[in-house]
Amino acid sequence: AQSVAQPEDQVNVAEGNPLTVKCTYSVSGNPYLFWYVQYPNRGLQFLLKYITGDNLVKGSYGFEAEFNKSQTSFHLKKPSALVSDSALYFCAVRDGLGNNNDMRFGAGTRLTVKP
Amino acid sequence: ETGVTQSPTHLIKTRGQQVTLRCSSQSGHNTVSWYQQALGQGPQFIFQYYREEENGRGNFPPRFSGLQFPNYSSELNVNALELDDSALYLCASSFGTSGLTDTQYFGPGTRLTVL
Repeated sequence: AQSVAQPEDQVNVAEGNPLTVKCTYSVSGNPYLFWYVQYPNRGLQFLLKYITGDNLVKGSYGFEAEFNKSQTSFHLKKPSALVSDSALYFCAVRDGLGNNNDMRFGAGTRLTVKP
Repeated sequence: ETGVTQSPTHLIKTRGQQVTLRCSSQSGHNTVSWYQQALGQGPQFIFQYYREEENGRGNFPPRFSGLQFPNYSSELNVNALELDDSALYLCASSFGTSGLTDTQYFGPGTRLTVL
């Protein structure tokens, strides 16, 4: 079965600095990868996804993610962090060989951007 | 365009009771998925409905059941509630037929507390 790991529970960055939130995955077939953000008392908001093609995916609010097949990673990045980016970030994966539409989420990484 | 809505926002039940949670999908979407998010964890896939048929299920017991209606709204029913069922229940809708690559859009969730 597919799985995803977010190795950092917490990431702290200063406003204006670049940020990276890490994600690694494990699948049997082709990976379909997603990033979501969750603000307090809210549902998940879609940021971006990788299906196929260009390894660098651009998404909402200036976020991008780089797909690395050899390292089985899909790290989320942003060149210049904003205080308003502080939230909980989830990486998720679906397996191209999966047969039950199961989307597996990581445990989440809490991003704090300090002024 | 109306986003995904869920009702109720909060719910308190006692052990052994039954509960029904409701979800209205985003306009134009034909697929609904349900997730359970325990405190401090990522969402876990319960099941997915496409055109009123269940087309994927995660590792949840049969006391978790669902329905999708002709207007693509959906219900999640949980029988014989247990304390561990306390969680945020998220509904997500999407449009498509492939399932695996479709982007899911989440509602704000229903917070269920079982006493």
